[in-house]
Amino acid sequence: DGGITQSPKYLFRKEGQNVTLSCEQNLNHDAMYWYRQDPGQGLRLIYYSQIVNDFQKGDIAEGYSVSREKKESFPLTVTSAQKNPTAFYLCASTDMGRTSGIGGNEQFFGPGTRLTVL
Amino acid sequence: GENVEQHPSTLSVQEGDSAVIKCTYSDSASNYFPWYKQELGKGPQLIIDIRSNVGEKKDQRIAVTLNKTAKHFSLHITETQPEDSAVYFCAAANTGFQKLVFGTGTRLLVSP
Repeated sequence: DGGITQSPKYLFRKEGQNVTLSCEQNLNHDAMYWYRQDPGQGLRLIYYSQIVNDFQKGDIAEGYSVSREKKESFPLTVTSAQKNPTAFYLCASTDMGRTSGIGGNEQFFGPGTRLTVL
Repeated sequence: GENVEQHPSTLSVQEGDSAVIKCTYSDSASNYFPWYKQELGKGPQLIIDIRSNVGEKKDQRIAVTLNKTAKHFSLHITETQPEDSAVYFCAAANTGFQKLVFGTGTRLLVSP
């Protein structure tokens, strides 16, 4: 089955610890994204990547880091510098190579990882 | 940058009624407007999208309208069913790269 997987589903972290969230896709998509979702708020973009070995900061990148060493993988590290890390984290991807029309193509989302800082 | 506002934040309807969710955007260059449905504890799923060269799009019980002049777009769900209960997000993108900006979501509750 093609899709996006995120692991783990639930993650608990002690204050002061770094933690890495996994995101893998087998859709052969070029672009990948990380969003943060808080209760009552929309999705906010943390980082995004168009191609391997390249990524850009989104709107709330402080306290986060990413890497894109492989096309199918885009892990997110939540560092101890992130002051309020408890949230639901969503990974997404899209195919840049084939455009369905004006504005590009659908973003497909993974099932999410719920991070709780104890 | 782009800003998307979404109303209402919660919407309760009876089964069989229609539901309408409205969004406004600020950047006139935005040209792609998807709607996502998110069930509890899951990732959002695209239910319908519309591009700036079209004014309306339908898919069975779901329709989206776009008014580029007023910079607003709306989701219409007819003959609502309990399984339509979820949080719905609108979004807008103004580049081919699709850096989506999301609204704050609408929690739809359909009562039997």
